[in-house]
Amino acid sequence: DAKTTQPPSMDCAEGRAANLPCNHSTISGNEYVYWYRQIHSQGPQYIIHGLKNNETNEMASLIITEDRKSSTLILPHATLRDTAVYYCIVTGSQGNLIFGKGTKLSVKP
Amino acid sequence: DAGVIQSPRHEVTEMGQEVTLRCKPISGHNSLFWYRQTMMRGLELLIYFNNNVPIDDSGMPEDRFSAKMPNASFSTLKIQPSEPRDSAVYFCASSPVYNEQFFGPGTRLTVL
Repeated sequence: DAKTTQPPSMDCAEGRAANLPCNHSTISGNEYVYWYRQIHSQGPQYIIHGLKNNETNEMASLIITEDRKSSTLILPHATLRDTAVYYCIVTGSQGNLIFGKGTKLSVKP
Repeated sequence: DAGVIQSPRHEVTEMGQEVTLRCKPISGHNSLFWYRQTMMRGLELLIYFNNNVPIDDSGMPEDRFSAKMPNASFSTLKIQPSEPRDSAVYFCASSPVYNEQFFGPGTRLTVL
């Protein structure tokens, strides 16, 4: 599976957009970008995934660059409850999820 | 739906004892996954089932670990005998579509 690189931590002000970057320069053509998050003491939570096109759901938006070597997860209006570790994972549709260290997002009032 | 249900939520046992963790997946999900999370190693996939059949158990650390899924609504992860290094949080997840996984609350296992 392709590896990803994420910043270890980020801060965001409550109510502002949180933009979490992920580099995946070795991604192959049939691999998807998945985002999960883990709030303290809870199980991971699926957020969104995409292949080539940008995606949006009720939780977030996923922007994938045209060359697919990087992506950004956007939480449009971050709240304190969005404080969590965010994992960017690249894998095939039938591949295993390999969780790295992720980005610890702290939303501050 | 109640989501993925795991029991017990906390387990404290002594080295050498048998430990059984239980999972009830979300109804209708045909894939089930067992993960282990520690500070040192992060979140690791142990085994996954598709339609109750074990597909990939390459993540199971050793023969002391075994997992079963006797039917679509129940799975167990057993450790026998348990060791202190097995202390971790064990998550069960189920999925209707392979990588859109729904995780349970986890079982925190402490082996003394």
